[in-house]
Amino acid sequence: DAKTTQPTSMDCAEGRAANLPCNHSTISGNEYVYWYRQIHSQGPQYIIHGLKNNETNEMASLIITEDRKSSTLILPHATLRDTAVYYCIVREANAGNMLTFGGGTRLMVKP
Amino acid sequence: GAGVSQSPSNKVTEKGKDVELRCDPISGHTALYWYRQSLGQGLEFLIYFQGNSAPDKSGLPSDRFSAERTGGSVSTLTIQRTQQEDSAVYLCASSLEVQGSKQYFGPGTRLTVT
Repeated sequence: DAKTTQPTSMDCAEGRAANLPCNHSTISGNEYVYWYRQIHSQGPQYIIHGLKNNETNEMASLIITEDRKSSTLILPHATLRDTAVYYCIVREANAGNMLTFGGGTRLMVKP
Repeated sequence: GAGVSQSPSNKVTEKGKDVELRCDPISGHTALYWYRQSLGQGLEFLIYFQGNSAPDKSGLPSDRFSAERTGGSVSTLTIQRTQQEDSAVYLCASSLEVQGSKQYFGPGTRLTVT
């Protein structure tokens, strides 16, 4: 009973923007959208999270639709080092416990 | 500053043996999590420690698995009588926040049971 749906894989040209979609049509009002990524042979890395407003940090931007049923993670200028599996996770902010990882999107950045 | 560290980085053990995996969280982080990732699979939650509260053990797959966190810092995950299906990468994460929104992961311990 997955809370999120992501494409299995995507390709992106180096230097171009990578736009990774996530569907979360059953999200509830107090649930946030989190993005993590996992580079090969490393532990997952936090990227960004948001509730309803768009968010931006040094790594990425997060665009959440007005109805909050989907979101897009944007890497503005993808590099080869951004090749990783990207996980979209929906979770209450005060859950205090585990993250539930789905299958994620395998992003391949190509030269 | 130092991140989450785990040891050993790799462990090969024979079926039936016990193993201990260690996690050193980021100093000051009150929450500590263990996950495992089998080959080609997603991450599976195992156990969660928050301060002095009783741990959330809901993800432990069997009673062969246990974990401790001493002094609110270092944690040890113990697997008794290892089985081949226990082979996986075991990841530890810590979080400064009670909410656990930002979890910082270690590099993992790759366990191979032969």
